[in-house]
Amino acid sequence: GAGVSQSPSNKVTEKGKDVELRCDPISGHTALYWYRQRLGQGLEFLIYFQGNSAPDKSGLPSDRFSAERTGESVSTLTIQRTQQEDSAVYLCASSLNTEDPPLHFGNGTRLTVT
Amino acid sequence: AQSVTQPDIHITVSEGASLELRCNYSYGATPYLFWYVQSPGQGLQLLLKYFSGDTLVQGIKGFEAEFKRSQSSFNLRKPSVHWSDAAEYFCAARPAGNNRKLIWGLGTSLAVNP
Repeated sequence: GAGVSQSPSNKVTEKGKDVELRCDPISGHTALYWYRQRLGQGLEFLIYFQGNSAPDKSGLPSDRFSAERTGESVSTLTIQRTQQEDSAVYLCASSLNTEDPPLHFGNGTRLTVT
Repeated sequence: AQSVTQPDIHITVSEGASLELRCNYSYGATPYLFWYVQSPGQGLQLLLKYFSGDTLVQGIKGFEAEFKRSQSSFNLRKPSVHWSDAAEYFCAARPAGNNRKLIWGLGTSLAVNP
């Protein structure tokens, strides 16, 4: 079946521009996560959505970062006024519910800020 | 603080040799434990997981891992490595009953010599 889909797969942007990254989770998965993976680093939690509950935004590194999710479907991660340190692979993952780890990952969006 | 440590940043083995990748966790109670593989240009894929019960768990691609409470370890093993196993391997943990934040190790890069 279809997995987690992320778009675009690659994004190059100029410093100061805004970018929007998209994630389509597996159908029926109520939990959705965004992670950041910098080159040579482990995964850094950004934000978590679970159904209609308030999202856990505790991992967002600054107020330039925000994310939304429409119901239990698509999510978008927005980075405003991008900086070079935002360059990373942004990974989205989904799970059936909070009691069903593990997570199913998309292939990520590689963001390069020039 | 909760943490996951992968002591080996990079490992090189010969094809056909055995493999052990180390993972140690620091948690108040036994967490759920996972191993993921990230092949070049691909998304993260779950190899295996430990929740409770039998401390030796079998995964995909011929991998297994053993949970040792006394050592706070969850080492990944494979008896005979294939060239296609060259990839980045991540150990992760999360508190039992809480699916919000996986804590990730920084990864071990595996190279396989022919």
